Amino acid sequence: QVQLQESGPGLVKPSQTLSLTCTVSGGSISSGSYYWSWIRQPAGKGLEWIGRIYTSGSTNYNPSLKSRVTISVDTSKNQFSLKLSSVTAADTAVYYCARNWAYYYGSGSRNWFDPWGQGTLVTVSS
Amino acid sequence: SYVLTQPPSVSVAPGQTARITCGGNNIGSKSVHWYQQKPGQAPVLVVYDDSDRPSGIPERFSGSNSGNTATLTISRVEAGDEADYYCQVWDSSSDSVVFGGGTKLTVL
Repeated sequence: QVQLQESGPGLVKPSQTLSLTCTVSGGSISSGSYYWSWIRQPAGKGLEWIGRIYTSGSTNYNPSLKSRVTISVDTSKNQFSLKLSSVTAADTAVYYCARNWAYYYGSGSRNWFDPWGQGTLVTVSS
Repeated sequence: SYVLTQPPSVSVAPGQTARITCGGNNIGSKSVHWYQQKPGQAPVLVVYDDSDRPSGIPERFSGSNSGNTATLTISRVEAGDEADYYCQVWDSSSDSVVFGGGTKLTVL
């Protein structure tokens, strides 16, 4: 079955760019009608969706983070990546990647996440 | 932006039924999904499309959605069900995902 694994630096300095990669195994990132999403969770707090990408390169971002986020995909490596610029301590969180099932109907949409990666802690500190 | 409201905590005795609510404006018109997250672990999908269960999720987990409230129901609660539970929808007005604030389920 499909598995996801996040990787990247665990410590980033304030004002710098956070970069993470999610490697998909057990299946092709290009197969099926899936988006691929990033979600984060500060310690002791709830889940926050960051954004997603389709293998065509089409993206959607959380409006509150849109100005700082870039998500890209490399189908040859079965990976997708997150870049978050101008980070502050408020960006310290566990970052998860997840497969995003997406179906559209009329004016609505069905979107859910399954499976998730195990998560990686990124701390923003000097 | 669309807001989902969950109670911070719900407590239930073993063997009883737990109901976790997720409130939102006309949420009954949206498709609601639920996740279980145990300490130190990634979230796991337990209900999708209001009431469907992924493979491997016990039948004790069920969902409903109508009006302004969606509900995750856990029957015959076990100690192992103790976790945080999150609801989630897609907000078409902003083309973005929205999560509820989460509910901590305590098994007494």
